Amino acid sequence: EAAVTQSPRNKVAVTGGKVTLSCNQTNNHNNMYWYRQDTGHGLRLIHYSYGAGSTEKGDIPDGYKASRPSQENFSLILELATPSQTSVYFCASGRDSANSDYTFGSGTRLLVI
Amino acid sequence: GEQVEQRPPHLSVREGDSAVITCTYTDPNSYYFFWYKQEPGASLQLLMKVFSSTEINEGQGFTVLLNKKDKRLSLNLTAAHPGDSAAYFCAVTPITGNTGKLIFGLGTTLQVQP
Repeated sequence: EAAVTQSPRNKVAVTGGKVTLSCNQTNNHNNMYWYRQDTGHGLRLIHYSYGAGSTEKGDIPDGYKASRPSQENFSLILELATPSQTSVYFCASGRDSANSDYTFGSGTRLLVI
Repeated sequence: GEQVEQRPPHLSVREGDSAVITCTYTDPNSYYFFWYKQEPGASLQLLMKVFSSTEINEGQGFTVLLNKKDKRLSLNLTAAHPGDSAAYFCAVTPITGNTGKLIFGLGTTLQVQP
């Protein structure tokens, strides 16, 4: 069954440390997205990708990097984690067409202490 | 660019009552519309996808209405039950220059009291 799998499900990181959130999709979708979800802010787009080797800045890219080494994998990297990056992060995949919905992963809960 | 406003942010109804969530959008070229449901602690699941050529879409226990003139999309849960308690998000995709990226509303947290 086509799916989007995120790892880890939960992560505790120290301030200043490096954090990598991973996302794998078996949908063969060209597009992949990273969002963070915080109470009162809905879903905010951090980075997205149109295919292997491509990354684009979303609405709130500061403090985050992204990597898309293959069609299936899309990573979100926090080089120097800060407590303000404590959040729930969702990865999603979708086709590169206007009628495409997203398939979301189960989310990663990140706590930066 | 496209902006989506979703109202209300929080909604509490009693079991059996109806619940209405509304999104307004700005881009008249918006063409595809989506409703997602997120149960507590879970991911987002697609509830319904509608196109601008259709105005009323019915699902299991809910109706989606699209008013293109007023650029308004609504989700009407008829006879809500506690299992409907969740966050609901609308999303819009403009047809012009679109590459598949959705624009989301901020969400509505619905609580259905038994």
